[in-house]
Amino acid sequence: GQSLEQPSEVTAVEGAIVQINCTYQTSGFYGLSWYQQHDGGAPTFLSYNGLDGLEETGRFSSFLSRSDSYGYLLLQELQMKDSASYFCAYDNYGQNFVFGPGTRLSVLP
Amino acid sequence: GAVVSQHPSRVICKSGTSVKIECRSLDFQATTMFWYRQFPKQSLMLMATSNEGSKATYEQGVEKDKFLINHASLTLSTLTVTSAHPEDSSFYICSARDGGRTNEKLFFGSGTQLSVL
Repeated sequence: GQSLEQPSEVTAVEGAIVQINCTYQTSGFYGLSWYQQHDGGAPTFLSYNGLDGLEETGRFSSFLSRSDSYGYLLLQELQMKDSASYFCAYDNYGQNFVFGPGTRLSVLP
Repeated sequence: GAVVSQHPSRVICKSGTSVKIECRSLDFQATTMFWYRQFPKQSLMLMATSNEGSKATYEQGVEKDKFLINHASLTLSTLTVTSAHPEDSSFYICSARDGGRTNEKLFFGSGTQLSVL
């Protein structure tokens, strides 16, 4: 079947670094994406890994290991505004995107 | 970046009525749009893939006669919730993939909060 797993909640303090892991199981996989969603808002794109390795975009980085069916999102220099839900999603044969259950990040002062 | 506009943002309706939600790609052509449903503090569940000029592809368990999808042009897809009932109350979000070099990225509308009384 198709599925993704993420931790349900993560808590960290301002200025810290946090890593949100994502494991997936699927028969069709083109790449892994990460999205941020604030309460009441729409998801916004953060990062995409089509190949193994690390992608860096400002304070956010994402990593993919296809052989391990595993990826993570790394958030550095955490800010209060980073408090949100974070979803990993895989590109399913290029046809659609399947989203993980989401990780709720709380950043404390 | 690409912009997806979704209207209305909030709808309150009586049970048994139909509600239409519009999703427009404003600065790009979207041959494919996706409709998701999200319950509070849960994930985005793909309902259907809307294809311009052809029938939508529905995910397993989604009633195609209840959730009518029309993708009449390269910039507009509509979702109509027919004979809505309280259990249909949810956050509905459309998204599209820019067919260009940002193909791996989904752009989302702002969502529609549907409340059925």
